[in-house]
Amino acid sequence: DAKTTQPNSMESNEEEPVHLPCNHSTISGTDYIHWYRQLPSQGPEYVIHGLTSNVNNRMASLAIAEDRKSSTLILHRATLRDAAVYYCILFSGSARQLTFGSGTQLTVLP
Amino acid sequence: GAVVSQHPSRVICKSGTSVKIECRSLDFQATTMFWYRQFPKKSLMLMATSNEGSKATYEQGVEKDKFLINHASLTLSTLTVTSAHPEDSSFYICSAGDLKRFTDTQYFGPGTRLTVL
Repeated sequence: DAKTTQPNSMESNEEEPVHLPCNHSTISGTDYIHWYRQLPSQGPEYVIHGLTSNVNNRMASLAIAEDRKSSTLILHRATLRDAAVYYCILFSGSARQLTFGSGTQLTVLP
Repeated sequence: GAVVSQHPSRVICKSGTSVKIECRSLDFQATTMFWYRQFPKKSLMLMATSNEGSKATYEQGVEKDKFLINHASLTLSTLTVTSAHPEDSSFYICSAGDLKRFTDTQYFGPGTRLTVL
């Protein structure tokens, strides 16, 4: 399975943008890039996903490198409620399960 | 959006007893559900894939006789931890995807925290 690499932790100030990086150098052509986040003592929550083009939704934006070997999740204005572990996951249509890595613990400072 | 519920949210049991955890997709049908286990400060580990109307598929190292999975309908999967021991204490999370409507995304339940005394 193609794997992802994320920093263990990041900090951000409240109301500032946050850029969470993810490297996936062995990504295959059919792998979608998914982002989930997990707040303490809760199940993961879907954030966004994409294949090749940049994507935007109400929660975040996803910027995908042209060679698809890396991507960046962008939170435009971090709030205290965005403090969570963020997981970058490659999802292949042939395998319906998600494989979680260690993720990035985002701390938002007031 | 799609909603997945789990029941109970928290359970404490004595060593040697069995505990059943339910996972329901509330507003969509799920032919496949997934069960994960998460230890403190660790990532989610996939335990098994629950398939409606057929046997579950277990990941390597997960005992199928200890973690019984039943997926009796398109909206309900259950995980039974049999003869629970303290080392089974963990956070159990299920997920489901509606392949008809939400291709490529999984929706997670809120999790069940199991404590075995």
